[in-house]
Amino acid sequence: DAGVIQSPRHEVTEMGQEVTLRCKPISGHDYLFWYRQTMMRGLELLIYFNNNVPIDDSGMPEDRFSAKMPNASFSTLKIQPSEPRDSAVYFCASSLGLASDTQYFGPGTRLTVL
Amino acid sequence: QKEVEQDPGPLSVPEGAIVSLNCTYSNSAFQYFMWYRQYSRKGPELLMYTYSSGNKEDGRFTAQVDKSSKYISLFIRDSQPSDSATYLCAMKNFNKFYFGSGTKLNVKP
Repeated sequence: DAGVIQSPRHEVTEMGQEVTLRCKPISGHDYLFWYRQTMMRGLELLIYFNNNVPIDDSGMPEDRFSAKMPNASFSTLKIQPSEPRDSAVYFCASSLGLASDTQYFGPGTRLTVL
Repeated sequence: QKEVEQDPGPLSVPEGAIVSLNCTYSNSAFQYFMWYRQYSRKGPELLMYTYSSGNKEDGRFTAQVDKSSKYISLFIRDSQPSDSATYLCAMKNFNKFYFGSGTKLNVKP
């Protein structure tokens, strides 16, 4: 398996623009997670899905952030409008289960908002 | 107070040294404890996980959990330059994961 795939790997945009990050989880994994990593705040869980349904979005910072999972093989994280403080590395991860199952992380999308 | 506290380092050691990485936490409900390794510009990868107090060994790595002190450790024996990375502790409570900010380790040849 190719692992978790994320695109784009790098995104540079200007404040106010819409940003869409994409993720393809490992086939057969029922859980998908979106994280944000910054030097100041470390790795933060934004939202996670089980069988394409959002379970916990309490980590989503504001209404400017939204995530969808239209099917088992694709998810998006959208920021609109983007702000400089959204600059971070965004990771997608997937796992078979939730208890002790390993989360497999993608390579991340490095977002810079100017 | 953050749920999980971890010294950011950096920690620099000579090759062959024993490395000790630590995290403290505040929530006694945490049940699963994990250590992830993250190489520069890569996603984290799971190294070890433990459930409840005690030790777990895997090759050169030993994970230790002391729930009474709310303290977890990762020991690396015979450290290698390839161990140079950022190590993140993580804990799980019900359906939520909490990560430490990571300790950057540099093993010098």
